[in-house]
Amino acid sequence: DAGVIQSPRHEVTEMGQEVTLRCKPISGHDYLFWYRQTMMRGLELLIYFNNNVPIDDSGMPEDRFSAKMPNASFSTLKIQPSEPRDSAVYFCASSPTRTGWGNTEAFFGQGTRLTVV
Amino acid sequence: AQSVTQLGSHVSVSEGALVLLRCNYSSSVPPYLFWYVQYPNQGLQLLLKYTTGATLVKGINGFEAEFKKSETSFHLTKPSAHMSDAAEYFCAVSLTGTASKLTFGTGTRLQVTL
Repeated sequence: DAGVIQSPRHEVTEMGQEVTLRCKPISGHDYLFWYRQTMMRGLELLIYFNNNVPIDDSGMPEDRFSAKMPNASFSTLKIQPSEPRDSAVYFCASSPTRTGWGNTEAFFGQGTRLTVV
Repeated sequence: AQSVTQLGSHVSVSEGALVLLRCNYSSSVPPYLFWYVQYPNQGLQLLLKYTTGATLVKGINGFEAEFKKSETSFHLTKPSAHMSDAAEYFCAVSLTGTASKLTFGTGTRLQVTL
């Protein structure tokens, strides 16, 4: 398996523009997570899905952020309108369900480095 | 609720020296504990994890960690550092009974010098 695939790897956009980040999880994984990494706040969980259904979006910072998972092999994180403070590295991760809860390994993509100018 | 504290945002060791990266956790229930490594411009990669059973956990690249419930610690060690170990290391906790939702520490950047 190629692992979790994110695109684009780098994105530079102007303030006010819409930004869409994409993620292809590992086939067979039923959990998908979106994380944001900044120097100030470290790694933060934004939202996660189970079987394509959003379970917890309490980490989404504002209504400008939205995430979808239309099928098991694709998810998007959209920021509209973007602001300079959204500049960060956004990671997508996927995880299989094993026996019991909470003991699964999250596999991370290489991230999308977003710069909003 | 759970939280993770990593002591030392930067650690520098000489090549061949012992690596010790500290992690303490707070959890209301027995936790699942993880160490992840992030190389420059890369995503996070799992080094090792503690779920149940043996408290000394061996991971990849010669790393190991010991779960000490009495000290609420899960420190990461490696007997002999290699230049290729230079990276950022994250300790993370996930509660039993929940989906694999990780709470990460702030990370420790390991520098290895000649």
